[in-house]
Amino acid sequence: DAGVIQSPRHEVTEMGQEVTLRCKPISGHDYLFWYRQTMMRGLELLIYFNNNVPIDDSGMPEDRFSAKMPNASFSTLKIQPSEPRDSAVYFCASSFGSGGHNEQFFGPGTRLTVL
Amino acid sequence: GEDVEQSLFLSVREGDSSVINCTYTDSSSTYLYWYKQEPGAGLQLLTYIFSNMDMKQDQRLTVLLNKKDKHLSLRIADTQTGDSAIYFCAETDTGRRALTFGSGTRLQVQP
Repeated sequence: DAGVIQSPRHEVTEMGQEVTLRCKPISGHDYLFWYRQTMMRGLELLIYFNNNVPIDDSGMPEDRFSAKMPNASFSTLKIQPSEPRDSAVYFCASSFGSGGHNEQFFGPGTRLTVL
Repeated sequence: GEDVEQSLFLSVREGDSSVINCTYTDSSSTYLYWYKQEPGAGLQLLTYIFSNMDMKQDQRLTVLLNKKDKHLSLRIADTQTGDSAIYFCAETDTGRRALTFGSGTRLQVQP
């Protein structure tokens, strides 16, 4: 398996533009997580899905952020409109939740810069 | 809410042991994890410990858990330059699937 795949790896955009980040989880995993990493706030959960259904979106900063998971092999995180404070590394992770310990496998991240 | 704290930086010499410490506040934490992040990469799980254990050893890695003090540590024996990275402590409980991460400890290994 190729692991969790994220695209693009780097994104530079201007304030006000729409940004779409993409994630392909590991095949067979039923949990998908979006995290954001910044110097100021560290790693924080944005949202996670179970079987394509959003379970906890309490970490989504505001209405400018939205996430979807139309099927088991694809998820998007959209920011519209983007702002400079959204600059961060966005990680997608997936896991198989059979109960108890569940190892989350992380993608390489998308480094977003909003000018 | 849950809170996980770590010291920010640790410098050791190659061959020495490294000990990275972590404290957490959630008394219902069930699983505690150590992840490693190398520059420009995602996080890689190193090891984890269940809350009813107090120690786990895996090759050069030893995890100690003091549940009473809510203190977790990661000891790396015979530290190598390739161990230079940021190490994150994380926790979760049976009611949550998402992880709560500490701020990360940057380990610098000097030759």
